[in-house]
Amino acid sequence: SAVISQKPSRDICQRGTSLTIQCQVDSQVTMMFWYRQQPGQSLTLIATANQGSEATYESGFVIDKFPISRPNLTFSTLTVSNMSPEDSSIYLCSVVPGEAFFGQGTRLTVV
Amino acid sequence: GESVGLHLPTLSVQEGDNSIINCAYSNSASDYFIWYKQESGKGPQFIIDIRSNMDKRQGQRVTVLLNKTVKHLSLQIAATQPGDSAVYFCAEDRDDKIIFGKGTRLHILP
Repeated sequence: SAVISQKPSRDICQRGTSLTIQCQVDSQVTMMFWYRQQPGQSLTLIATANQGSEATYESGFVIDKFPISRPNLTFSTLTVSNMSPEDSSIYLCSVVPGEAFFGQGTRLTVV
Repeated sequence: GESVGLHLPTLSVQEGDNSIINCAYSNSASDYFIWYKQESGKGPQFIIDIRSNMDKRQGQRVTVLLNKTVKHLSLQIAATQPGDSAVYFCAEDRDDKIIFGKGTRLHILP
């Protein structure tokens, strides 16, 4: 199993600003995944972050809005840029060493 | 805190009864399926998985059934307890990415 820590756990941000979310895993993993969960909705995959290469984004998500870093095999960051109230969601990182494990998520509110 | 299940379909079950949560998937090429439980304020928690070469798998109090013919997945929870109250998501592995279904909120009646 993997233990995933996300920071911050929650934040309230002003529109137009950016927030960087950190995800730390207690073991080395090849792939890390970032999801968004809008209020009352399921999880939607934003992108896959591989160490040593650019992240791969799903349809509807772009690098300018959600830049991702993956500096090593245990850490990744997701930035939510130029935020608007529509970005208010829970953002979760995940790893798949067999089963998929999730962090507790970052609850973002944009005002 | 904010509930993640406000707009999701709800299944209400009497405590002690069995619960059956259903899920349809779209990709006939998917070969690995997972059920997750998400409690309020937490990330999804793995419950049970099944590969496409099986049609049934049992865990502790949970059973997953897979019908590939109609692309249908179900999660059965035996003797439902108050602690089972949560949102349940089915998910499928597509090209090593876990893609989530819509989810069902399970509400336990006393």
